[in-house]
Amino acid sequence: AQTVTQSQPEMSVQEAETVTLSCTYDTSESDYYLFWYKQPPSRQMILVIRQEAYKQQNATENRFSVNFQKAAKSFSLKISDSQLGDAAMYFCAYRWRSQGNLIFGKGTKLSVKP
Amino acid sequence: NAGVTQTPKFQVLKTGQSMTLQCAQDMNHEYMSWYRQDPGMGLRLIHYSVGAGITDQGEVPNGYNVSRSTTEDFPLRLLSAAPSQTSVYFCASSSVPPTGRAEAFFGQGTRLTVV
Repeated sequence: AQTVTQSQPEMSVQEAETVTLSCTYDTSESDYYLFWYKQPPSRQMILVIRQEAYKQQNATENRFSVNFQKAAKSFSLKISDSQLGDAAMYFCAYRWRSQGNLIFGKGTKLSVKP
Repeated sequence: NAGVTQTPKFQVLKTGQSMTLQCAQDMNHEYMSWYRQDPGMGLRLIHYSVGAGITDQGEVPNGYNVSRSTTEDFPLRLLSAAPSQTSVYFCASSSVPPTGRAEAFFGQGTRLTVV
């Protein structure tokens, strides 16, 4: 069975600094997707970034980038130039290509200090 | 451009009461799912559907029923609410095989309290 592990329940970063959130996963599949979702206090689930497993190039979306290590089954999220609005719960999620369901990690609560 | 519409946003139930959480999507997605979110547990799959007339259980299905009569709608029913069902519930939809960006689209969530 696939699993997703986020080992950092809480993280803190100073405004304008860089922070990295960790995620590891376990799967026997070769064709899958990985995602980072952000959940602010509004409770809405917001997609931050996605990575296709067969693409070796790390995904980047503005200040957000990932370090995808397929062999190590690691998928970390780097937030550069952190802003107060980045404070939220962040979830790492896995999806096997042939299924629509996501498997989530337990989340990392990110605080941003002014 | 509604996406996934989930109602209600908040609900308080007494133990033993029943209710239905509504979910509708307008993206013609085959796949629809219900998750519950509890502190420190992430989101866990309750039930899912791969198309109209087809449903299956997820990780935590006990106490919940679903049906899928149309592609658009996927309601979640609590037949006899229990305090253990106090949680935040999310409906989501996605395309299979993935088209476009492959992510799941989520409703706004329902905060349910059972007293």
